[in-house]
Amino acid sequence: QVQLVQSGAEVKKPGASVKVSCKASGYTFTSYGISWVRQAPGQGLEWMGWISAYNGNTNYAQKLQGRVTMTTDTSTSTAYMELRSLRSDDTAVYYCARSAAGTWLDWFDPWGQGTLVTVSS
Amino acid sequence: EIVLTQSPGTLSLSPGERATLSCRASQSVSSSYLAWYQQKPGQAPRLLIYGASSRATGIPDRFSGSGSGTDFTLTISRLEPEDFAVYYCQQYGSSNTFGQGTKLEIK
Repeated sequence: QVQLVQSGAEVKKPGASVKVSCKASGYTFTSYGISWVRQAPGQGLEWMGWISAYNGNTNYAQKLQGRVTMTTDTSTSTAYMELRSLRSDDTAVYYCARSAAGTWLDWFDPWGQGTLVTVSS
Repeated sequence: EIVLTQSPGTLSLSPGERATLSCRASQSVSSSYLAWYQQKPGQAPRLLIYGASSRATGIPDRFSGSGSGTDFTLTISRLEPEDFAVYYCQQYGSSNTFGQGTKLEIK
């Protein structure tokens, strides 16, 4: 079955960086893209950006431009999301989700289980 | 950016009743590029509906979506105990944005 499995919880200090992984299985990785969505505690969903596993094209949410980088390793069917210069308001559960290969304008299905990133001094 | 406003914020109903959730967009959503998700506590969201009215694989037919332009609706025809959760709409016609969610709780 199609599955996305994310890396474990992280605790980081303000100003540090975090890199979350998302390993895909059950489908042809390069036929789709991966979007990243985060959810602050008790809050709604925020789209962060998208990467095409087909050609590596990316599109990032404007508010995160310059702080986020999304990459893929097609040899291991794994996507990565790195967020730099962490602030306390980056504390959230970070989800990866499968989406279209050719555009970031798509629905998300399925989702990974989520990775809690806590930013605290 | 298209802003999605969901209503009501909280909906209190009993099992067996019909639920109607609304999602209104600040401008027209092109090609009905609207999806609905269900999220239970401690779990990732699950896709229910895409393209405003197409059910995702494995989703029971008591879930249905409708609407176009700026007004969209998710209807659950007869509530089952497992349907009580938070529901989000997402538009993907112009970037990607989510509504703030509707909490469906047991009355």
